[in-house]
Amino acid sequence: AQTVTQSQPEMSVQEAETVTLSCTYDTSENNYYLFWYKQPPSRQMILVIRQEAYKQQNATENRFSVNFQKAAKSFSLKISDSQLGDTAMYFCALNSGGYQKVTFGTGTKLQVIP
Amino acid sequence: SQTIHQWPATLVQPVGSPLSLECTVEGTSNPNLYWYRQAAGRGLQLLFYSVGIGQISSEVPQNLSASRPQDRQFILSSKKLLLSDSGFYLCAWSPTVNYGYTFGSGTRLTVV
Repeated sequence: AQTVTQSQPEMSVQEAETVTLSCTYDTSENNYYLFWYKQPPSRQMILVIRQEAYKQQNATENRFSVNFQKAAKSFSLKISDSQLGDTAMYFCALNSGGYQKVTFGTGTKLQVIP
Repeated sequence: SQTIHQWPATLVQPVGSPLSLECTVEGTSNPNLYWYRQAAGRGLQLLFYSVGIGQISSEVPQNLSASRPQDRQFILSSKKLLLSDSGFYLCAWSPTVNYGYTFGSGTRLTVV
């Protein structure tokens, strides 16, 4: 079984500042993939970043980066220089063991304040 | 480039009526296709997935069904809707499950 936990239901950040969203996961597999998805108020879900478990290096996409702590089973998302367009629900997700199922966390609602 | 289309965007249906939601993908062949449901304040629940024409796997027993009549077409159906079927339905595709999904724009279903 695979589980994903996002313990911060809501967060806010001032525009131009940095914010970190937390995610912990559990899986018994050694081969797995982690994702962060963004769902803005328009509701279309967008893939933000992807991390392969066997890669030590943390994934980065422009202002978005992750802190992948494999031993702690932690996968946090850092958003630098926050912009108003970053206001959205953010979902952490996990796929492991070669199964077709991706398990999503319950999401963190991020509000960027001007 | 690949695109995914999902329709309708919103739907209000009475209890006991049938349902058909459609999803199509363009610009790729043999995609993995998925139907998810998102309830208010919750994450996403996988309903069905398909790795090929006519191949449907169900994750949750319920009164919904899915079909894949063509390579890039995925349909979510119900013969008789329940109030509990209300929610936001998302179709997604991926070349492989660990690549990450591309989602459609979603369908807001309200059963009244």
